[in-house]
Amino acid sequence: EADIYQTPRYLVIGTGKKITLECSQTMGHDKMYWYQQDPGMELHLIHYSYGVNSTEKGDLSSESTVSRIRTEHFPLTLESARPSHTSQYLCASSPGLAGGPLETQYFGPGTRLLVL
Amino acid sequence: QKEVEQDPGPLSVPEGAIVSLNCTYSNSAFQYFMWYRQYSRKGPELLMYTYSSGNKEDGRFTAQVDKSSKYISLFIRDSQPSDSATYLCAMSARNYGQNFVFGPGTRLSVLP
Repeated sequence: EADIYQTPRYLVIGTGKKITLECSQTMGHDKMYWYQQDPGMELHLIHYSYGVNSTEKGDLSSESTVSRIRTEHFPLTLESARPSHTSQYLCASSPGLAGGPLETQYFGPGTRLLVL
Repeated sequence: QKEVEQDPGPLSVPEGAIVSLNCTYSNSAFQYFMWYRQYSRKGPELLMYTYSSGNKEDGRFTAQVDKSSKYISLFIRDSQPSDSATYLCAMSARNYGQNFVFGPGTRLSVLP
């Protein structure tokens, strides 16, 4: 069973607030990802990381930022929340076995964000 | 045109039915194909993956890939109410997670 955690699970916040969504995994995985998922829509990759001190932007343009200071921790920050940021945010990790079998991703339960 | 298309459903079937879930895609470079199951208010979990064309079976689940038609399917035999979830297909040209392209998902309800 995957051990990847996200907090908070639900967040309702006002416009302009700074928020940080937490993601932690205890599997020692090198690769971590943040996805955005709207109801009935595809998952869109917004950030990923190969390891400590490595972060990259994904395909979907996002006003959020991430950091990877520790292997197990990959927080996502919105400096100034807006209603357009309302969505579900999913964190995932994978062992990142180069040249091996498919890079299995393990997903956290998600954070549902509502910006008023 | 989206890279990956998937019938959004919802799809309702009686318990014990055979379910067929399908995705079509446009990028002929895709060669890794995955199916994820996502229960309500949970993150997706990997069900099956296949490389290139062919079939793969795991218990009641069979994944099928037809690269010539750019079409993949997931079959569920003897469906159970516990199979009620959203099923997402995902695919990639390269074996790297950051290259995965997900479909929008099909909601399945298996009625007792």
